[in-house]
Amino acid sequence: AQTVTQSQPEMSVQEAETVTLSCTYDTSESDYYLFWYKQPPSRQMILVIRQEAYKQQNATENRFSVNFQKAAKSFSLKISDSQLGDAAMYFCAYRNRNNNAGNMLTFGGGTRLMVKP
Amino acid sequence: NAGVTQTPKFRVLKTGQSMTLLCAQDMNHEYMYWYRQDPGMGLRLIHYSVGEGTTAKGEVPDGYNVSRLKKQNFLLGLESAAPSQTSVYFCASSYTVNTEAFFGQGTRLTVV
Repeated sequence: AQTVTQSQPEMSVQEAETVTLSCTYDTSESDYYLFWYKQPPSRQMILVIRQEAYKQQNATENRFSVNFQKAAKSFSLKISDSQLGDAAMYFCAYRNRNNNAGNMLTFGGGTRLMVKP
Repeated sequence: NAGVTQTPKFRVLKTGQSMTLLCAQDMNHEYMYWYRQDPGMGLRLIHYSVGEGTTAKGEVPDGYNVSRLKKQNFLLGLESAAPSQTSVYFCASSYTVNTEAFFGQGTRLTVV
């Protein structure tokens, strides 16, 4: 079974600074997806960024980028120019690419990000 | 753009009571899922469905039942609620196994 670990329960960053959230995972599969979801106080789960394991290039979405290290099974999220609206819980998630059992996501325990003005 | 809608958003139950959570999606998605979210544990899959009339167990299915009689609806039932089922429940759906999952806004359930 796959496991996802987020070792930082809480992080804080000064507005306009950069912060990196860590995620490691364990799998015996070679083809899979990795995701970062944002959950603000509204509880809505919002997809921030997605990485396909067969792609060597790290995904980027505006101020959000990842550092995907497949051999090390590491998938960190970097938020640049942090904004107050970035304050939220962030979840790292894993899914096999060809999962006959459906689109099942395995989540980490989450990291609460606080942004200081 | 309703997306995925969960009903109700909040509920308090007494131990032993039963209830049904409704998830509705208007995106014609084949796959639907129920997750529960507990502090420090992320989201864990309870049950899922890969199409109308089908259901399957996820990681933590005990104490829950589900039904998918219509493609757009996925119901989660608690027959005899227990305090351990106090949690936030999320429904999600996706078009195929390899496309993005869309989440509802969650249901906060408290069992006293």
